Amino acid sequence: DQQVKQNSPSLSVQEGRISILNCDYTNSMFDYFLWYKKYPAEGPTFLISISSIKDKNEDGRFTVFLNKSAKHLSLHIVPSQPGDSAVYFCAASGRDSNYQLIWGAGTKLIIKP
Amino acid sequence: DSGVTQTPKHLITATGQRVTLRCSPRSGDLSVYWYQQSLDQGLQFLIQYYNGEERAKGNILERFSAQQFPDLHSELNLSSLELGDSALYFCASSVEGDEQFFGPGTRLTVL
Repeated sequence: DQQVKQNSPSLSVQEGRISILNCDYTNSMFDYFLWYKKYPAEGPTFLISISSIKDKNEDGRFTVFLNKSAKHLSLHIVPSQPGDSAVYFCAASGRDSNYQLIWGAGTKLIIKP
Repeated sequence: DSGVTQTPKHLITATGQRVTLRCSPRSGDLSVYWYQQSLDQGLQFLIQYYNGEERAKGNILERFSAQQFPDLHSELNLSSLELGDSALYFCASSVEGDEQFFGPGTRLTVL
């Protein structure tokens, strides 16, 4: 039972345009959400997070939106740059998961020049 | 550099063997997490330790075990290795319930 789903295994975006990565969750008790970025043969690196009391969090080119009623979050990258090509994982935690991070399967983002 | 170190970087061994992976968390982090990432798969949580005690267990096989030592470094022991155990093994650390910081991983190849 996948509690955190990233339904797009890959996404290709033109350099300079907006990249939108999506993530859905099923557990309404999740209250903290994170995005990680992973390059090949490296460990994931933390990108941005959002708690359930907010619906938007912004950090430079990265913005995360949370729609609690739809149990959906998205990561917007604008403008997309070649260095953004990586696998992006969303993760969620909450009381139900004993605050363990529950991970999505990842979306591979490819930025085309 | 996340501050989390893992050794070795690569490990090649044969089926039936036993290996030990080592992780040193960031200074001050009490929690250590172990993850497995098989080819093109997501991250599978294996186990968490907090200040020397097991805190949570995920999809960890009985052939696998871990411990966290008084100096907070952790070891993941994998025994009776099978071909399917070939994967990247990541260690992460955190203060407590915060974002996790990942090490560079150990690539295990079982032949």
